[in-house]
Amino acid sequence: GEDVEQSLFLSVREGDSSVINCTYTDSSSTYLYWYKQEPGAGLQLLTYIFSNMDMKQDQRLTVLLNKKDKHLSLRIADTQTGDSAIYFCAESSLSGGYNKLIFGAGTRLAVHP
Amino acid sequence: DARVTQTPRHKVTEMGQEVTMRCQPILGHNTVFWYRQTMMQGLELLAYFRNRAPLDDSGMPKDRFSAEMPDATLATLKIQPSEPRDSAVYFCASGLDLNGELFFGEGSRLTVL
Repeated sequence: GEDVEQSLFLSVREGDSSVINCTYTDSSSTYLYWYKQEPGAGLQLLTYIFSNMDMKQDQRLTVLLNKKDKHLSLRIADTQTGDSAIYFCAESSLSGGYNKLIFGAGTRLAVHP
Repeated sequence: DARVTQTPRHKVTEMGQEVTMRCQPILGHNTVFWYRQTMMQGLELLAYFRNRAPLDDSGMPKDRFSAEMPDATLATLKIQPSEPRDSAVYFCASGLDLNGELFFGEGSRLTVL
């Protein structure tokens, strides 16, 4: 079945790089996503990668995709306190004729001085 | 600034009462999703609409939950009767059925006493 797994917590020092990892199961996923949720808010799309790519860079964010291992990672360079949030990995799964987003449980990133 | 609007933002009610949550999707979007977020279960998909038609509500407890889209600008999620285990944050999200990217509202936090 469809499943997305990610570690629950990550703590980093301000200025360091953060790497959040995710594994997914649906090899037919067309897109893979990273969403960010700040306290008291909804999820906001950070970035996404098409399944035929292995890397995408957007300013401080780098997404790496290993399709063979079904592994996705999000690297945040020069992590700031404003990056403290919950980060959700999601895969798009074609199920029942439509694209459904399957979310992981979320990784809570804590940035400390 | 187009965004998904949800009401109410917060709702406290007593067990057995009816609760209705409303969502205004982004104009022009043809897909609407309802998700529920709890600490224990993470993000659960409750219902999905495409072009106002319900396509998937398999994640929803049918005996007490109902979801409708009376028109393209309004989606509703109703719980009758509500129970304490329904306490959660309910998110509405809309999108275009192209790449699966979703835009989330800020959520309705429901507390059932």
